[in-house]
Amino acid sequence: SYVLTQPPSVSVAPGKTARITCGGNNIGSKSVHWYQQKPGQAPVLVIYYDSDRPSGIPERFSGSNSGNTATLTISRVEAGDEADYYCQVWDSSSDHPVVFGGGTKLTVL
Amino acid sequence: EVQLVQSGAEVKKPGESLKISCKGSGYSFTSYWIGWVRQMPGKGLEWMGIIYPGDSDTRYSPSFQGQVTISADKSISTAYLQWSSLKASDTAMYYCARHLAAAGTIDPWGQGTLVTVSS
Repeated sequence: SYVLTQPPSVSVAPGKTARITCGGNNIGSKSVHWYQQKPGQAPVLVIYYDSDRPSGIPERFSGSNSGNTATLTISRVEAGDEADYYCQVWDSSSDHPVVFGGGTKLTVL
Repeated sequence: EVQLVQSGAEVKKPGESLKISCKGSGYSFTSYWIGWVRQMPGKGLEWMGIIYPGDSDTRYSPSFQGQVTISADKSISTAYLQWSSLKASDTAMYYCARHLAAAGTIDPWGQGTLVTVSS
């Protein structure tokens, strides 16, 4: 089955830019979605269709996807962005279509 | 507002059975897949499976096939996750979430149900 690979952790200083990657075989041919999970809370969709933001998600959150890597970019990082981030794809050719990456812990220094 | 509300935390002993629930509101319950995601303590998200309440079509991750049962009662807009014999390794937070197959997204999520299995 399809595998998504994320770095376990990323650290960034406040006000800087954080980039979280999600690797997969020819992932650029798929739609990638990103979820933010803060401690003690349920996940929340922050990016869908590689780069679209749901209403209510700050413009600081953006995404891209090409080749074998999708990237979630958080600009002007704030302390409140500290969370776990998960990438996800939907493999419609499979009977078990949902695949999550292992998650990345974003630490704001 | 689309909302999923899950049943409360459970503490069970190994070998006991359990059924937890997830009630949807604010949308057509029979028109969207709804599924379950496990999160073991300190770990990542694991997709368990989904059900389409309109016709009860159910899909399972190979990791969870035969270990749990997913069902739904469309008359009360409620999905269920069921175990017949719990193990200590089933201790985890379980989230239900609406799955939008056309978009491939999972949104929104329920608040989670913590299941603790301990002797």
